Amino acid sequence: AQSVTQLDSQVPVFEEAPVELRCNYSSSVSVYLFWYVQYPNQGLQLLLKYLSGSTLVKGINGFEAEFNKSQTSFHLRKPSVHISDTAEYFCAVIWYSSASKIIFGSGTRLSIRP
Amino acid sequence: DAGVIQSPRHEVTEMGQEVTLRCKPISGHNSLFWYRQTMMRGLELLIYFNNNVPIDDSGMPEDRFSAKMPNASFSTLKIQPSEPRDSAVYFCASRPRQGMENTGELFFGEGSRLTVL
Repeated sequence: AQSVTQLDSQVPVFEEAPVELRCNYSSSVSVYLFWYVQYPNQGLQLLLKYLSGSTLVKGINGFEAEFNKSQTSFHLRKPSVHISDTAEYFCAVIWYSSASKIIFGSGTRLSIRP
Repeated sequence: DAGVIQSPRHEVTEMGQEVTLRCKPISGHNSLFWYRQTMMRGLELLIYFNNNVPIDDSGMPEDRFSAKMPNASFSTLKIQPSEPRDSAVYFCASRPRQGMENTGELFFGEGSRLTVL
């Protein structure tokens, strides 16, 4: 079955430290990959996406992610986090075979300590 | 341009009552999704519509849940009768007609927080 796994439910980091949020998906067949961010009491908004081409994708707010086909991963990174990055981050996948259906991971709550 | 508009933002009701959640997608978008978010189960897709037609309702929990999209600018999610386990935040999202540049991008509303006592 198609699935998306975010191994870390919570990630605490200090302000200005680097962070990596992990995402793995279940199948190596062709996929589109996304990261969404949800700030408190808001809906989700798109952070970045990989459709094709360069495996390193840059998004808003200084985030980037790297598509690794062999490891079926799409980890999200930021070299230096800010208090305003406190939010929940969701990885999402569309498999070519079910192009209309987006599967979300369970989310990772990023908390920034001053 | 206004985003996805959901109402009500908060609803508190008693078990057994009917609940109707409303969604106005972004003008010009042709797909609409209803999601439910809880601490235990995360973000679950309930149903999605393409050109006002329900395409996949396999995520609808049971017959107490129903969704309609009578036209391109309005959708409802109804729970009748409601139960305490339905307490969650319900999100509506819309998506533009798909092309390579916007593949997969969903635009979410701010959600409707439902509490069933």
